[in-house]
Amino acid sequence: IQLTQSPSLLSASVGDRVTLSCKGSQNINNYLAWYQQKLGEAPKLLIYNTNSLQTGIPSRFSGSGSGTDYTLTISSLQPEDVATYFCYQYNNGWTFGGGTKLELK
Amino acid sequence: QVQLKESGPGLVQPSETLSLTCTVSGFSLTSYSVSWVRQPSGKGPEWMGRMWYDGDTAYNSALKSRLSISRDTSKNQVFLKMNSLQTDDTGTYYCTRDSNYITPPMDAWGQGASVTVSS
Repeated sequence: IQLTQSPSLLSASVGDRVTLSCKGSQNINNYLAWYQQKLGEAPKLLIYNTNSLQTGIPSRFSGSGSGTDYTLTISSLQPEDVATYFCYQYNNGWTFGGGTKLELK
Repeated sequence: QVQLKESGPGLVQPSETLSLTCTVSGFSLTSYSVSWVRQPSGKGPEWMGRMWYDGDTAYNSALKSRLSISRDTSKNQVFLKMNSLQTDDTGTYYCTRDSNYITPPMDAWGQGASVTVSS
């Protein structure tokens, strides 16, 4: 399964509601996770099984979707959310998307 | 506290074999799987393969002919060996704690091992 993330670059202001998209080439059956990677660090799990918030992750992060289309939403962007976000499917094999780089406007 | 740490050579000659070790603590290799993920600089991660909690293995089809993953549960270590390295194998290699079907996928990562393939 191939994953396509959009946009590749997103500029937003502190406090904005931000939406990142991930589209699969086939049905992912909700086996979709989101990772946040800050510069120089390993990726960190935010969301798994489409909408389950990983322990310790702020509630401003949420996930939704079904079938081939999935979304990560940050309800109120904070400066520490500047990072690259990757989606990852584990329904059929294991693949990552190409990433969305989130920057402050 | 769950920890994973990769170790191995930072520089590998073209056509040679890469050997990396992932040493884990805070969880059992017979209860959790461990996956290897690599990431070229400035690009997205690529899942390479996994050692299942039951000792079975799975590999990325693009790497399968070159890749081998094994483990020593008595030493809490998982090993990666990949042969015939080329320059596009350069990047950061991570080991991750992965799902046993019940737990979340790749919920803990090592710090990463930087590997450069160059003569």
